[in-house]
Order: sequence, then structure tokens, then C-alpha cells
Amino acid sequence: DGGITQSPKYLFRKEGQNVTLSCEQNLNHDAMYWYRQDPGQGLRLIYYSQIVNDFQKGDIAEGYSVSREKKESFPLTVTSAQKNPTAFYLCASSISGLAGGWTDTQYFGPGTRLTVL
Amino acid sequence: RKEVEQDPGPFNVPEGATVAFNCTYSNSASQSFFWYRQDCRKEPKLLMSVYSSGNEDGRFTAQLNRASQYISLLIRDSKLSDSATYLCVVNMNYGGSQGNLIFGKGTKLSVKP
Repeated sequence: DGGITQSPKYLFRKEGQNVTLSCEQNLNHDAMYWYRQDPGQGLRLIYYSQIVNDFQKGDIAEGYSVSREKKESFPLTVTSAQKNPTAFYLCASSISGLAGGWTDTQYFGPGTRLTVL
Repeated sequence: RKEVEQDPGPFNVPEGATVAFNCTYSNSASQSFFWYRQDCRKEPKLLMSVYSSGNEDGRFTAQLNRASQYISLLIRDSKLSDSATYLCVVNMNYGGSQGNLIFGKGTKLSVKP
């Protein structure tokens, strides 16, 4: 089955720890994205990548880091510098990031719920 | 003006009702428009793309009004299973070919028996 997978589904972190959230896709999509969703809020873009070995900051990149060494994988690290990391993290992918066509339609993984203890 | 605005609801309707959601967007250069559905504690799922000519998929009809910069979603004959939050999504094209999707906060729909 083609799709996007995220792991783990639930993650608990102690203050001061870095944690890495996994995102893998087998859709052969060029573009991948990380969002954060807080209760009652819309999705906010953390980082995105249009192509392997390249990525760009989104609206709320501070305290996060990413890598894109493979087309299929776009892991997100939540560092200790992120002051309020408890949230629902969603990874998405699209055929490309070019605007104006169906290729920028984004498909989401099931998400990771991160809680800081 | 917020980039993508939606009425948060909740919309509480009986089964079989027709319900309409509106969404306004700020960037007149936007080129891609979508409605996503998000169930409680789940990921958003694409409901339908919105085309300039309007489009229909079963009980769902989406329309785009570029002059007024708003998008609508009409759900006819509501089912209990339609209960969810509906997200309006717009590509914000800032003058180049590259643009990122901006998500509204969503409108919550609750269909009652």
C-alpha cells in the first residue's frame, strides 16, 4: 500500500531532551512537510523540503531541525530549545510544491502526539 | 486580515439537513484551493479540490469566487458520519511558482440523529 507513515504514534519527552519523529513516504513525492497542530488551532508549518538535500524553514522553525537525505524520509528533531513542544505533529507530502496545479495537493500521515513530562 | 478565515462553528444540524461553509482568503494570487476533513485526533484528509468552475462529488459541492476571494462547501443530505472539522486550505502564491498551503482553523460540524 502506498502512503505516509509516522512513528511513533505517541511520544513522551522529558524536559531538556531532544526527540526525533519519523516520517516515511512511498508515494514517490518530491515535496515533504512538517506541521504542528495545537488544540483548537490550525496547522502551522515548521519545515518543508522540495527536493532531496534541500529544505526551508516554515513559520515556526525555531527549536526544530530536519534532514532530507533520502526522497522517502523527512525526520523532524524537536530540540530542547523548543519551549512548548507538546502538540500533534503532522507530516505531509505532495508530488511537487509548485503552485497552481494538482501537484501541490498534500497528503498526510497519521501524526505523532508529543507530550513533554 | 488573516490569510484564511473560517467560521469556527460549531454547526449543529439534524440528519438530512443541508449545510454550507464559507471561507475567505487574503491573497488574490492564490491558485490552489482545497477542502480537507479532519476527524477528532486524526490527520486531515483531502475532501476535494476546488476548481474555478465549481465541482461536485456526490453530496458535496465546492465553489470558488475569485472576485470576492471566498470558497464555499455545501453538504446536502447530511449523514451522522459527516460530523468532523472541515478545513479550508489555500495555496499562498507570493509571486513565484512556489507557494505553501495555508490552513484555516476549521469549521466544526456535528450532525445529530
